[in-house]
Amino acid sequence: DGGITQSPKYLFRKEGQNVTLSCEQNLNHDAMYWYRQDPGQGLRLIYYSQIVNDFQKGDIAEGYSVSREKKESFPLTVTSAQKNPTAFYLCASSRTGTPGELFFGEGSRLTVL
Amino acid sequence: GENVEQHPSTLSVQEGDSAVIKCTYSDSASNYFPWYKQELGKGPQLIIDIRSNVGEKKDQRIAVTLNKTAKHFSLHITETQPEDSAVYFCALFGNEKLTFGTGTRLTIIP
Repeated sequence: DGGITQSPKYLFRKEGQNVTLSCEQNLNHDAMYWYRQDPGQGLRLIYYSQIVNDFQKGDIAEGYSVSREKKESFPLTVTSAQKNPTAFYLCASSRTGTPGELFFGEGSRLTVL
Repeated sequence: GENVEQHPSTLSVQEGDSAVIKCTYSDSASNYFPWYKQELGKGPQLIIDIRSNVGEKKDQRIAVTLNKTAKHFSLHITETQPEDSAVYFCALFGNEKLTFGTGTRLTIIP
């Protein structure tokens, strides 16, 4: 089955620790995205990548980092510099060119204790 | 970046009745307007979309209308069913990315 796999589904971390969220897709999509979801605020774009070895900051990139070494993979690191990291994180992918459907993973819920 | 406002934030309708959710935007260059449905604990899924050269699109019980002059677009769900209960997001495409509205929690009352 083609799709997007995020892991872990739930993650707890202590303040001051970095954590990396995994996102893998087998849809052969060029573009990948990370969104953060908080209650009442919708989905806010953290980072996106339209091609391997290239990525751009979204609207709320501070305190986060990404890499895109392979087409299938777009991991997100939540660093200790992120002031309020507890949230639901969603990864998505799409074809490039004419804007179209984003395919989302099932999300990772990060809780900082 | 682009700004999109979505209303209402919550909506309860009796099963069988219609539901309407509206979004307004400011960037006239936007040309793609999708709607996503998110069920509890899952990622959003595309349910319908419309491009700027079309004023209305329908898919069974779901329809989307677009008014480019007034810069708003709306989702219409007719004959609502319990499985329509979810959070719905509008979005628009501009500057190589999608910007989402803040979501509407729709509850269908049996």
